[in-house]
Amino acid sequence: KQEVTQIPAALSVPEGENLVLNCSFTDSAIYNLQWFRQDPGKGLTSLLLIQSSQREQTSGRLNASLDKSSGRSTLYIAASQPGDSATYLCAVSYNNAGNMLTFGGGTRLMVKP
Amino acid sequence: AAGVIQSPRHLIKEKRETATLKCYPIPRHDTVYWYQQGPGQDPQFLISFYEKMQSDKGSIPDRFSAQQFSDYHSELNMSSLELGDSALYFCASSLVASGISELFFGEGSRLTVL
Repeated sequence: KQEVTQIPAALSVPEGENLVLNCSFTDSAIYNLQWFRQDPGKGLTSLLLIQSSQREQTSGRLNASLDKSSGRSTLYIAASQPGDSATYLCAVSYNNAGNMLTFGGGTRLMVKP
Repeated sequence: AAGVIQSPRHLIKEKRETATLKCYPIPRHDTVYWYQQGPGQDPQFLISFYEKMQSDKGSIPDRFSAQQFSDYHSELNMSSLELGDSALYFCASSLVASGISELFFGEGSRLTVL
């Protein structure tokens, strides 16, 4: 059974810092990996998707990397802002048939002004 | 751009009652997924439909059923509700035929069982 782990579970940083969120998965035969943002009681907003053949994706201040062989992904947030405060979830899909996602427990990020 | 639409956004039911949640996927998406997120937990996959046929089944209780209709909207039916069914229920859609299958989630339906 695929297990996805995120470290740290919570993170508090001052505004302006660069930070890295970590995601690891037990089965390296993934189809793709997605990073999501979730505000309290809200839906999941897709941030970045990395296909299994890719090594990284970038969107604005966000950069996600993927190392399939070691079962790891990182989400790098540059120049963090208070508006970045949210829970960040990574999720992996095992195949394209149905493509259900297995989620990590998330990292709760607090960026202090 | 159109997103995934879920209704109702909030629902309060008594134990043993029935609830129905609706989901309207992004136009032209061929796959719909249902997830359940309990308080403080990560989303758990319930069930998915590809082109109106059930494609995958996760940890969905037998008291729950779902279907996808000809217009691609989907409904999750929950019967004999229990206190533990209180959760945020998400619908997501994707275009599996694209080969990329990025999932887009709705805002969720919050079910409270009293």
